[in-house]
Amino acid sequence: GQSLEQPSEVTAVEGAIVQINCTYQTSGFYGLSWYQQHDGGAPTFLSYNALDGLEETGRFSSFLSRSDSYGYLLLQELQMKDSASYFCAVRDQDGANNLFFGTGTRLTVIP
Amino acid sequence: NAGVTQTPKFRILKIGQSMTLQCTQDMNHNYMYWYRQDPGMGLKLIYYSVGAGITDKGEVPNGYNVSRSTTEDFPLRLELAAPSQTSVYFCASSYESLGGTEAFFGQGTRLTVV
Repeated sequence: GQSLEQPSEVTAVEGAIVQINCTYQTSGFYGLSWYQQHDGGAPTFLSYNALDGLEETGRFSSFLSRSDSYGYLLLQELQMKDSASYFCAVRDQDGANNLFFGTGTRLTVIP
Repeated sequence: NAGVTQTPKFRILKIGQSMTLQCTQDMNHNYMYWYRQDPGMGLKLIYYSVGAGITDKGEVPNGYNVSRSTTEDFPLRLELAAPSQTSVYFCASSYESLGGTEAFFGQGTRLTVV
């Protein structure tokens, strides 16, 4: 089985930096992904970490520690358009590689 | 490039009715998924498929059925609609390898059962 935990809500000021944490438990582990979802929209892929360390893509970075079963998404220079829900997801090795999502963190960026 | 296309976008069903949610992708992806998302919640996996002719249950399969006769299409069938199936349904696809897990999502089907 698998479980993922994220904070339910985060509020941050425009221009600031925010970190969204994710802890996971899986019977097998290939990697940790992050997705963004705006209200009324579909999830869109942001990043993927298979190995320990930091992956940077523009203003967004994602970190993974396999030994701690922990990862985070770091958003820098926050913009109002970053207000959305952010989900971590794991590919579980149990069975045939299905993709499981956390419950999501709702980020609100305020002026 | 259309990506993942879902139809319909909205639907209202009466209790006990049946319907099929259509999903097609044009990226030649081998993996396809159906998720449901209740308001303010995460995505729950209903069914998935690792290739044509192969399907398997996810976390919440009860009340649903799927088929995968081609690589492109992965329809989701609701046989006897219940109010508990009111949700937003997302279809997704990905090309699976151990190196990556980028899934592409359709725009969703908003289903209300009354």
